[in-house]
Amino acid sequence: EVQLVESGGGLVQPGGSLRLSCAASGFTFSRYWMHWVRQGPGKGLVWVSHINGDGSNTDYADSVKGRFTISRDNTKSTLYLQMNSLRADDTAVYYCSNAPPHDSWGQGTLVTVSS
Amino acid sequence: DIVMTQSPDSLAVSLGERATINCKTSQSVLYNSNSKIYLAWYQQKPGQPPKLLIYWASTRESGVPDRFSGSGSGTDFTLTISSLQAEDVALYYCQQYYSAPYTFGQGTRLEIK
Repeated sequence: EVQLVESGGGLVQPGGSLRLSCAASGFTFSRYWMHWVRQGPGKGLVWVSHINGDGSNTDYADSVKGRFTISRDNTKSTLYLQMNSLRADDTAVYYCSNAPPHDSWGQGTLVTVSS
Repeated sequence: DIVMTQSPDSLAVSLGERATINCKTSQSVLYNSNSKIYLAWYQQKPGQPPKLLIYWASTRESGVPDRFSGSGSGTDFTLTISSLQAEDVALYYCQQYYSAPYTFGQGTRLEIK
């Protein structure tokens, strides 16, 4: 059974940094593209970033480009999202997921950017 | 970027009646080389992650009740719930996965009338 478990969320001040992790199990992690999707409070789903199996290919939504970095450690079956220069509008639940169509999702980790 | 526009924003339907949610894409999401439509539908209930219902515009995910169906072509797509059940109250999103950024519609809130 595929399991995705996010961690690392919390309260951070504007301009601060946070690193999210997503521990994967139940499938051969290194073979698959992985994605981050976020959802602001009371808002819709927004695709954030993706990375290919060996980590050599990444892409980002314009809203996070230059501030967020996606990476992975296939030896640990873990996906990461390094978030720098955080802003209030980055406040959201962050989900990791497999490649679309997204049939596997974690429960999400809440990031709150506030002073 | 491909813009996804859902309609309506909210919908109230009586139990047992049909619910129809529309999704319009700003450009085609049909990949000609394999004739597949890169469009999915998700259901999200409060406090839960989204759940995949439909992919390739009309293929039902395993375990999804057959009252859920997807249809459409070109730039216009529809999610239909043939006979609304109480457990179908949720938010519904369409998503294109034809090209990054893999944009979602704004969501449609489905309620019981």
